[in-house]
This record gives sequence, C-alpha cells and structure tokens, in this order.
Amino acid sequence: GESVGLHLPTLSVQEGDNSIINCAYSNSASDYFIWYKQESGKGPQFIIDIRSNMDKRQGQRVTVLLNKTVKHLSLQIAATQPGDSAVYFCAEGLLTGGGNKLTFGTGTQLKVEL
Amino acid sequence: DTAVSQTPKYLVTQMGNDKSIKCEQNLGHDTMYWYKQDSKKFLKIMFSYNNKELIINETVPNRFSPKSPDKAHLNLHINSLELGDSAVYFCASSQPWGSWTQYFGPGTRLTVL
Repeated sequence: GESVGLHLPTLSVQEGDNSIINCAYSNSASDYFIWYKQESGKGPQFIIDIRSNMDKRQGQRVTVLLNKTVKHLSLQIAATQPGDSAVYFCAEGLLTGGGNKLTFGTGTQLKVEL
Repeated sequence: DTAVSQTPKYLVTQMGNDKSIKCEQNLGHDTMYWYKQDSKKFLKIMFSYNNKELIINETVPNRFSPKSPDKAHLNLHINSLELGDSAVYFCASSQPWGSWTQYFGPGTRLTVL
C-alpha cells in the first residue's frame, strides 16, 4: 500500500548551516511530491513541490531532490535560520476528480541551534 | 486578513457528546478539506469538497459528517464523540487543479474526556 516515511524524527542543526531532511516513499504512482512546514501551534504551510519526472527543483533557500530509483526525496535548506525551526512533512500528491489529495509522511522536527 | 479560519480553536467535551467545528476561507477557492492530526503529528485527510460536492471521503467513521453550505464554508459535525477522536483538526482550501498549495487553517484542538 501507499506509505510516505521519514528517516529521522528529529534533526538539530547550527544556525547558518545547511539542513537536509530526508523522506522515503514506497508508491511510485504519484505525480508529485510536496514538502510542507508546520510551525508550533500553526497549520502546515506549503514549501515546494516537484513533479515525478523531475529530479531537482529549487526555490528560495530550498532545494528538493527526487531519486526515483531508490524512491527517496530530500529537502535541503540553505543557511538555516531560527525561523526554520518546525516540523517538516513530505507528502505524496495524487490528482483526483475534484481536488489534489495529499498523503503526508510522519514528519521531521528541525531544531535550529544558535 | 485571515485566509482560512476555524472556530473554535479549542474544544473540550465529554464522551458521547455531539460537537461541530466551523471553517471559512476567503481565498475564493473551490476546494476545501478536513484533516486530522494525531498526537504523533501524523496528518491524514478525512474529506474533500469541491464546489460544495463531496469528492474525497476517506475511511472515516460515519459519526463524522461534513457539510458545505457554500464554497467558502466547510463544517465538520461529530456525533457520539469518543476518546480516540481527540486530535487537532485542520481545515484547508486550494484550487482544484495544478496547484499543490493547500492553505491550512490554524487548527482546532479537540479533547474528549
């Protein structure tokens, strides 16, 4: 069945360093993979997505890499800042008849140390 | 301006009671969702509505009944609340095609005693 999982539940990085958050998935039928960020006490917030026929996509300070051979997805955050502290979710995206269905992974807590 | 709002933010109630959570979005989106996030932060979709029509209905007990009076509102009514219903419930909205950006509300923390 479908599953989207994360390797590490908690990741601690020093301010200014680069962060890499990993995600493994088992169902390669999805068209998209998406990263969301959830700050404490708030709802998830979209970061970036990548289509399954791509292997890399860059945004502002973030890069998502997709390796379909090993079914692995990663989110790289450059020059990590205290405001990046949050739980990060990878999600599998499936187009349905009326909307986009997201299947979320278990989340990784990113802690930025000053 | 709040894009997606939910009321109440906190809800504490006894087992067996019936409660409702309201959601409103002012983004003009056609699609709205309800998600449940458990104590381990696992986030799972429950329902999706597109233009007031139910599109996604995951394996959710029929004690949960969503209602969409118009495109901007999606309410969640829960009957006969159980301990396992305790969670944070998030409402979200998006455009139906092309965008994976779902805008989430602040969440409603439901505690069933």
